[in-house]
Amino acid sequence: DVVMTQSPLSLPVTLGQPASISCRSTQSLVYRDGDTYLNWFQQRPGQSPRRLIYKVSNRDSGVPDRFSGSGSGTDFTLKISRVEAEDVGVYYCMQGTHWPPTFGQGTKVEIK
Amino acid sequence: EVQLLESGGGLVQPGGYLRLSCAASGFRFSSYAMSWVRQAPGKGLEWVSSISGTGGSTYYADSVKGRLTISRDNSKNTVYLQLSSLGADDTAVYYCAKGRADFDYWGQGTLLTVSS
Repeated sequence: DVVMTQSPLSLPVTLGQPASISCRSTQSLVYRDGDTYLNWFQQRPGQSPRRLIYKVSNRDSGVPDRFSGSGSGTDFTLKISRVEAEDVGVYYCMQGTHWPPTFGQGTKVEIK
Repeated sequence: EVQLLESGGGLVQPGGYLRLSCAASGFRFSSYAMSWVRQAPGKGLEWVSSISGTGGSTYYADSVKGRLTISRDNSKNTVYLQLSSLGADDTAVYYCAKGRADFDYWGQGTLLTVSS
C-alpha cells in the first residue's frame, strides 16, 4: 500500500499567521489518466471529516480561499494563508490514485 | 443537498456481529460508488470498504477481509456494512462516504464499541 507521511504532526499557529502542512507519498500519485488524486480533509473537533481540496489544488465548494493545495508526484502541501479560529482541527491528506486509498496520520492544528 | 445518515452502531460483545446502514439523499445514489471509513478513538482515518454503484464490485481492506460484507439497496438509497467476528480493534466511529476514493461527502458517523 502507498504510505502517506504528513509533517508536522502538531502545528501550533498564531491567529492571522500562515500555516503549512506537508504530505509525502511512497509512490508517485500521477494516475494513468494524467490526473493526481491527492485530497485534503479537515476534521474539526467532534465533527466528521470534510473534504477541502481534491486533485491536489481544487477547492471544494464553500471552502475559503485562504486554503490552497499544491505539489506534484510524491510531495504535496496544504497552506492556510491566515489561520482563523475555525481552522482548528486535524488535517489529513489522502491518495486515491493507487488501490487501496490511504490516509496520512493527520496534522493537528491548534492556536498558540 | 447531499446527506448521508449512518445508523446501527452500538455495544457488541467480542465475537459478535452487527450491521451498519447509511441512508443517502440529495444525489443519484445508484450512479456513485460508496465507501466506509473508520476512525478508532483518538486515531486517524482508515478506509475499510467500497462498493460500486451497481453493487457488482466490492472492495475490502486486508485488515477486515473475510469479516466484513458491504452491500447496497439502490431502491432504498442505502448502503450497508455487515461486520462479524468482532474484536476490540474494530471499536471505532464508522463513517460512510460518497465515492470510491474521492469521499466528497461524509456522514456524521456511527460508533461501534466492541467490549464484554
